[in-house]
Amino acid sequence: QITLKESGPTLVKPTQTLTLTCTFSGFSLSTHGVGVGWVRQPPGKALEWLALIYWNDDRRYSPSLKSRLSITKDTSKNQVVLTMTNLDPVDTATYYCVHSQLQQLFDFWGQGTLVTVSS
Amino acid sequence: EIVLTQSPGTLSLSPGERATLSCRASQSVSISYLAWYQQKPGQAPRLLIYGASNRATGIPDRFSGSGSGTDFTLTISRLEPEDFAVYYCQHYLSSPGCSFGQGTKLEIK
Repeated sequence: QITLKESGPTLVKPTQTLTLTCTFSGFSLSTHGVGVGWVRQPPGKALEWLALIYWNDDRRYSPSLKSRLSITKDTSKNQVVLTMTNLDPVDTATYYCVHSQLQQLFDFWGQGTLVTVSS
Repeated sequence: EIVLTQSPGTLSLSPGERATLSCRASQSVSISYLAWYQQKPGQAPRLLIYGASNRATGIPDRFSGSGSGTDFTLTISRLEPEDFAVYYCQHYLSSPGCSFGQGTKLEIK
């Protein structure tokens, strides 16, 4: 079955760079149509899509965060990495890794990882 | 970018009642690329409905979606205790990217 798991720091200082890794199983990111992405959720707030990378290395980013985001994949390791620069306390959120079989429709989610931005 | 507005913000109902949740788009959603997710406290969201009216795998038939254009509805025919959660709509297959509504909290009355 499809599983995804996020890993990375739980506490980051303002202005630092956040690197999150999604390790997945049950599918291949080299399969036509498949994508892996990231969605975040500040405490008590709504979901916000961040980025998505497809099987063909096509990458899409949230327009409001595009300048701060980078998403890459390592198909051999079954991993996707999200990098976010210049962190601010408003970036405090649970970050979810998601699987997409149809563009931007997220049918499987990781458990999420809470990242706190604080000095 | 399409903005999704969900209403009401909070809906208070009793088990066994019918729930109707609304999602309105700021412009027409092409070919009904509209999805609904359920999120329980401390859990990741779960896909319920895609294509406005198609239930995802394993979703009970008391959940149904409808609508087109700019107005969409999620209906839960008879509420079970496990249905009390927050529900989000999403517009997908969109350029430059997808968007979510702000959520409707369904709470026990």
